[in-house]
Order: sequence, then structure tokens, then C-alpha cells
Amino acid sequence: EAGVAQSPRYKIIEKRQSVAFWCNPISGHATLYWYQQILGQGPKLLIQFQNNGVVDDSQLPKDRFSAERLKGVDSTLKIQPAKLEDSAVYLCASILGSGGYNEQFFGPGTRLTVL
Amino acid sequence: AQKVTQAQTEISVVEKEDVTLDCVYETRDTTYYLFWYKQPPSGELVFLIRRNSFDEQNEISGRYSWNFQKSTSSFNFTITASQVVDSAVYFCALAEDYKLSFGAGTTVTVRA
Repeated sequence: EAGVAQSPRYKIIEKRQSVAFWCNPISGHATLYWYQQILGQGPKLLIQFQNNGVVDDSQLPKDRFSAERLKGVDSTLKIQPAKLEDSAVYLCASILGSGGYNEQFFGPGTRLTVL
Repeated sequence: AQKVTQAQTEISVVEKEDVTLDCVYETRDTTYYLFWYKQPPSGELVFLIRRNSFDEQNEISGRYSWNFQKSTSSFNFTITASQVVDSAVYFCALAEDYKLSFGAGTTVTVRA
């Protein structure tokens, strides 16, 4: 069974530029999460989708971050414009069904550096 | 407020020593789940264990064991006879209301 795929693995941009990350969850997993992991910290939830609907985006900085999951499968996370403090690893995770109490399967992450 | 506290930032041991990682959580819910994840240098978080709030039985899986105590809101993790491959960052996480909150992680370095 293929795992959660993410691309790119690394991205370096200058502040005020835009960037987009892509995630393809495990086949059949209805729920998808995006996390931000700043160096030295644990992952912090940004947004949760169930199929193509948003379940929770309360911690997403909506003035610059956006995410979509149009067909209920893969998802993109965008930052526009980027700030220095956005430097982090962006992790995508998926889960079978809707329950957040099940094991989440994580992708390898995209490491973003904002200069 | 921090929901999951991992007081140990870094632990360094010599191979074959035992390592215990502390995790203290805070919740008002009666139904919740606790997790441990491992993050090796490759960066991908790997699930280790899940425990629900109604099951306080300790668990052993190979060299790994977990001690869950609701009375002290703790869910500690022990690696017995550590190996170099155990070097990683270990995260404790609390799931309540279908959302995961992670601790800051403990970096474990096992030296040969």
C-alpha cells in the first residue's frame, strides 16, 4: 500500500513570494490533515478535510494561507505572501474514515525556507 | 495552554541502556486518546501506539513499553535495551474532539 505522498520535499523562497504544496493521501482515506511543524516543536494542525469539505480550519492563518481538496482526494496548501516565520516543515496526514482517534498516516513533509 | 508536556528536551544514552520518556497531558474530556509517534531523521512521523482513556493497562511491544496513569495524567514510554536505530524525536499526542495536539517532542540519541 502506497503511503502519503507530498511534493516538493524542499522549497526555498523569498519573503512575499507565493508557494504551494501538494499532498496525495492513502487511497480510500477520507480525512486529510495539514500540519505545520516549526523547528524544535511538535506538529500543529492547520486544517482538516473530510472528503472535499473543511471540518476545522480554526488555526489556519486565512489572511495568507489557503487550502483546497476539490475532488476529495489530493490537496494543495498555498501561502501567499510568505513571511519569514512561515519557515517550517509542512506535513500532510490522512486517516481512514472520519474519526480523529484512529492512527494518522503522515507523509515525508515539505521543508519550506523563507529568506 | 499546553495540553501535552514533554519535559525532557533531549536524552542521550549509550546503546543497551533503557530510556524512559515522560509525557503529561491536560484535558477535561472523559473520552480521549493518547498516542506516541516517532520521527526519525527522514522526517516522516511513524505511529507507535494508541491508548484510550478507559484502558489503563500497561502495554509491552518488543522493546517498547508504555505506562498510562490517569491519576497523574501521564503516559510514559520506555525503550528497553536501546539501539542506535532508536535515535529519533519522539512525540506524545492527545486526541480530543477528533483533533491531535502534540507535545514538543523529546530527542533521543543512542550512541554506539
